[in-house]
Amino acid sequence: DTEVTQTPKHLVMGMTNKKSLKCEQHMGHRAMYWYKQKAKKPPELMFVYSYEKLSINESVPSRFSPECPNSSLLNLHLHALQPEDSALYLCASSHRDRTYEQYFGPGTRLTVT
Amino acid sequence: QKEVEQNSGPLSVPEGAIASLNCTYSDRGSQSFFWYRQYSGKSPELIMFIYSNGDKEDGRFTAQLNKASQYVSLLIRDSQPSDSATYLCAVVGGLNDMRFGAGTRLTVKP
Repeated sequence: DTEVTQTPKHLVMGMTNKKSLKCEQHMGHRAMYWYKQKAKKPPELMFVYSYEKLSINESVPSRFSPECPNSSLLNLHLHALQPEDSALYLCASSHRDRTYEQYFGPGTRLTVT
Repeated sequence: QKEVEQNSGPLSVPEGAIASLNCTYSDRGSQSFFWYRQYSGKSPELIMFIYSNGDKEDGRFTAQLNKASQYVSLLIRDSQPSDSATYLCAVVGGLNDMRFGAGTRLTVKP
């Protein structure tokens, strides 16, 4: 089973809203990731969690706030976003110690109005 | 800046032909190399990974790695129209930070 699930599939929010994206995996993976992907561009790494601790933050604006409540869950809290933040947000996971293959969820299509 | 370079394409091959996709990377410390397939509007799907120099075959796919030349490639044999997608080369550095190339768009014509 290499399934990573993400909710919601689509999200439309205003610039003053607060919303959260959710990601879940039950593969026993201990590393989880958030990526942002704009149209016709490759995914860009935002955050990496390893054993529930934030290990990489790619200088992402503070209006994006990640959270890893446990080894199976990853959240991305959104607040005061800009229209240019509209993109596909992808979650991925991997075995931290054994392999580095990352498996992606289906993504959340975010539109900021 | 650690770079991963791919030809953006588009690469067009006839059905049944071999498609050859290439990727170079700048970080000599990279140890893990991946190929993802991404259909339009979908998320990336892992199709191959390779860690050691040489070839690795899985069905119609062969990944080739040459660390001395900092080069990794993907061959798709007997290409099918369903192989039409964007192929992303990805490289993992020492901090478990995966960097993607821009992707090569492949079209397989019936």
